[in-house]
Amino acid sequence: AQKVTQAQTEISVVEKEDVTLDCVYETRDTTYYLFWYKQPPSGELVFLIRRNSFDEQNEISGRYSWNFQKSTSSFNFTITASQVVDSAVYFCALSEGQGGSEKLVFGKGTKLTVNP
Amino acid sequence: ETGVTQTPRHLVMGMTNKKSLKCEQHLGHNAMYWYKQSAKKPLELMFVYNFKEQTENNSVPSRFSPECPNSSHLFLHLHTLQPEDSALYLCASSQEWSLAGAYEQYFGPGTRLTVT
Repeated sequence: AQKVTQAQTEISVVEKEDVTLDCVYETRDTTYYLFWYKQPPSGELVFLIRRNSFDEQNEISGRYSWNFQKSTSSFNFTITASQVVDSAVYFCALSEGQGGSEKLVFGKGTKLTVNP
Repeated sequence: ETGVTQTPRHLVMGMTNKKSLKCEQHLGHNAMYWYKQSAKKPLELMFVYNFKEQTENNSVPSRFSPECPNSSHLFLHLHTLQPEDSALYLCASSQEWSLAGAYEQYFGPGTRLTVT
């Protein structure tokens, strides 16, 4: 069984603050993929990043960075110098890469509100 | 222009009605998906089509009937729905549904369905 836990239901910050969204996952597979998606108020989920289980290097893309720690089964997402446009619901998701059922299982999401 | 479009964006239907949701992707992908997003549950995968063949039915009630005439189009036919079926229905596409790994999915804006 696979499971994704996003313990933070809602986070509220003031613009320019840094914020970290937590994601903890459970899987028995050695090959798996982790994703982050952003869902703005318009409703459309926007793909942010995909990492496979063999690549533990942290990644930075502009103000976004991701910290993948297999030892703690975590894949946390940090927004540096947050902006109002970052306000959205952020979903972490897991897919196992082998064995048949490549379902993408989502966490419940973290609603981020960035106030001016 | 977005890569995945969905129509209608909003739909109100009675429990005895029959309606269809449409999804179209312009990304040249070979896999398409239906998800249900309701307030009380995480994003739930409903159906997966890979190269027009249904590869996943996530125990969805028969009142939801998918159709995939080609790799670019996906329909969800609805009949005799219940009020608890009210939700945001999201369509997504990806390069393919493969044992080799999980490709990122690209989502449409969703159809907000209300069953009265």
